[in-house]
Amino acid sequence: AQSVTQLDSQVPVFEEAPVELRCNYSSSVSVYLFWYVQYPNQGLQLLLKYLSGSTLVESINGFEAEFNKSQTSFHLRKPSVHISDTAEYFCAVSDLRTDKLIFGTGTRLQVFP
Amino acid sequence: ETGVTQSPTHLIKTRGQQVTLRCSSQSGHNTVSWYQQALGQGPQFIFQYYREEENGRGNFPPRFSGLQFPNYSSELNVNALELDDSALYLCASRPQDRGGTEAFFGQGTRLTVV
Repeated sequence: AQSVTQLDSQVPVFEEAPVELRCNYSSSVSVYLFWYVQYPNQGLQLLLKYLSGSTLVESINGFEAEFNKSQTSFHLRKPSVHISDTAEYFCAVSDLRTDKLIFGTGTRLQVFP
Repeated sequence: ETGVTQSPTHLIKTRGQQVTLRCSSQSGHNTVSWYQQALGQGPQFIFQYYREEENGRGNFPPRFSGLQFPNYSSELNVNALELDDSALYLCASRPQDRGGTEAFFGQGTRLTVV
């Protein structure tokens, strides 16, 4: 069975500071990895994904995540955050055979001016 | 191209009642999944439909059931509602039933059971 652990339930940070949101997963099979963002009262939006190839993946709004197989991690980073990045961030895995997404419990990123 | 739309956006039901939530998939998507997101939690997979057949189910009791129609829209039905069923219900569609393709989520239906 797969599982996802997001160790930080909340991450407060000042605007323009760097941030890292941690994600570790457990799986006995190869997986795909995803980061989703959820703004208040909205559904989930895909931020970035790792399927194969380069272990560093980037989004269009400055976030990046690195797949580390040995540490079973997929941490999300951004070198300089904006107020508008305030949201809930979910890490998720799906294995190569099924489609279902297994989500972590989420990390609330709060950016202060 | 229209996105995934869900209706209603909010709903209040009494314990023991039945509820039907609806989802219109994004154009061209033939796979629909439903998730339950309790307050402060990550979404939990309920089940998935591909071409009108259920092809995956999470750890939810049989009173959670669904349908997918020929136009790939979908319904989630919950019978004998319990207080713990209060949650945000999310529908997601994808263009095929193969892992790794992006799932597009609707804005969800907020169900409150009193």
